[in-house]
Amino acid sequence: NFMLTQPHSVSESPGKTVIISCTRSSGSIASNYVQWYQQRPGSAPTVVIYDTNERPSGVPDRFSGSIDSSSNSASLTISGLKTEDEADYYCQSYDSITSWVFGGGTKLTVL
Amino acid sequence: QVTLRESGPALVKPTQTLTLTCSFSGFLLSRSGMSVNWIRQPPGKALEWLARIDWDYDKYYSTSLKTRLTISKDTSKNQVVLTMARMDPVDTATYYCARMATTYFDYWGQGTLVTVSS
Repeated sequence: NFMLTQPHSVSESPGKTVIISCTRSSGSIASNYVQWYQQRPGSAPTVVIYDTNERPSGVPDRFSGSIDSSSNSASLTISGLKTEDEADYYCQSYDSITSWVFGGGTKLTVL
Repeated sequence: QVTLRESGPALVKPTQTLTLTCSFSGFLLSRSGMSVNWIRQPPGKALEWLARIDWDYDKYYSTSLKTRLTISKDTSKNQVVLTMARMDPVDTATYYCARMATTYFDYWGQGTLVTVSS
């Protein structure tokens, strides 16, 4: 199995842009889709990005996803930060559709 | 609309077997491509995928926990059951069930907190 490594926390001011990274330990980041989930305290996660760079309906276009094969990592970019974006964010991918892996989560603080 | 709800004991003793039920509505687990998954989250820690059962009864388990897990479904009752044997205090977590219709977990239950303590 592989691991997905995320920064423990990030912080930024309202209106700014933040990028959360997710680095895959083995195997290519590009070989399987990456998802991003937002989890507010006391609530179940909800998906904000699926299939690496797709947004579900209802998720604002301030959220975007990408991958960088050179660093074997995926990124979640949130632009025009709002206080309501403050939450934990988890990346998730899979291996051969039989093993689903989550990153360790990143706590986003919007100061 | 799609809903999922987890149920089971809030407290189990070490070495006991945990049985959790996911009751769902708004979709058919018999539909091609559909699956229900179990995911857990220890307090203050990250999400961990545990198991999955597909529409065609295929089953998949976390490599690290596969010897302790069993997943099953009762399509007529719209339920998925997860059992976890030999519970330990480190298994204390909120347990979620979540639907996967394509490539991501699109609907989640609210989660049920299970505490393992004597």
